[in-house]
Amino acid sequence: SQTIHQWPATLVQPVGSPLSLECTVEGTSNPNLYWYRQAAGRGLQLLFYSVGIGQISSEVPQNLSASRPQDRQFILSSKKLLLSDSGFYLCAWEGAAGTEAFFGQGTRLTVV
Amino acid sequence: AQSVTQLDSQVPVFEEAPVELRCNYSSSVSVYLFWYVQYPNQGLQLLLKYLSGSTLVESINGFEAEFNKSQTSFHLRKPSVHISDTAEYFCAVNPPGAGSYQLTFGKGTKLSVIP
Repeated sequence: SQTIHQWPATLVQPVGSPLSLECTVEGTSNPNLYWYRQAAGRGLQLLFYSVGIGQISSEVPQNLSASRPQDRQFILSSKKLLLSDSGFYLCAWEGAAGTEAFFGQGTRLTVV
Repeated sequence: AQSVTQLDSQVPVFEEAPVELRCNYSSSVSVYLFWYVQYPNQGLQLLLKYLSGSTLVESINGFEAEFNKSQTSFHLRKPSVHISDTAEYFCAVNPPGAGSYQLTFGKGTKLSVIP
């Protein structure tokens, strides 16, 4: 069966520090992969998606970047965090043609 | 373009009472419809989905939702809630055949079940 792993679960980082969040998927090949950010009262915001290795599409201009170095690995990064980067970050992979998305457990990022 | 409106940000309800969480959407094309549930500090889990066929869909834990095309709604209902149903619920839509990069979420409804 397919599983998705996301880590760390929580992270407290100072303003101006770098960020690296990792997401890996097991049990499937060539998945579509997604990064969402969830802010209180604002629902889920799609940040990046990837349909294959090295292929990244950005939905919202921001202080973040994403990379997909391997088929089942998706990384969210920042060179210098801002206070506004605080939030709950969710990685997801897609089932057959938009019929379902599977989410990781999320990372609670607090920038101080 | 498509959008999802969840009319209630918070819904308190007493244990064993019925509940309805409302969801309306707008889209220029036909859509798949979803309800996801999120427990505190966890990711989202699919609760139920409408792809085609019967407009009434059910989950394994007693929730149901009915697709109403004329009213562009997909309200979520449960006849008797439990404490364990306390969570945030998200309605979402996605055009058929599209990747989930077109998956559009509502802002969520927090369901609080009161003992």
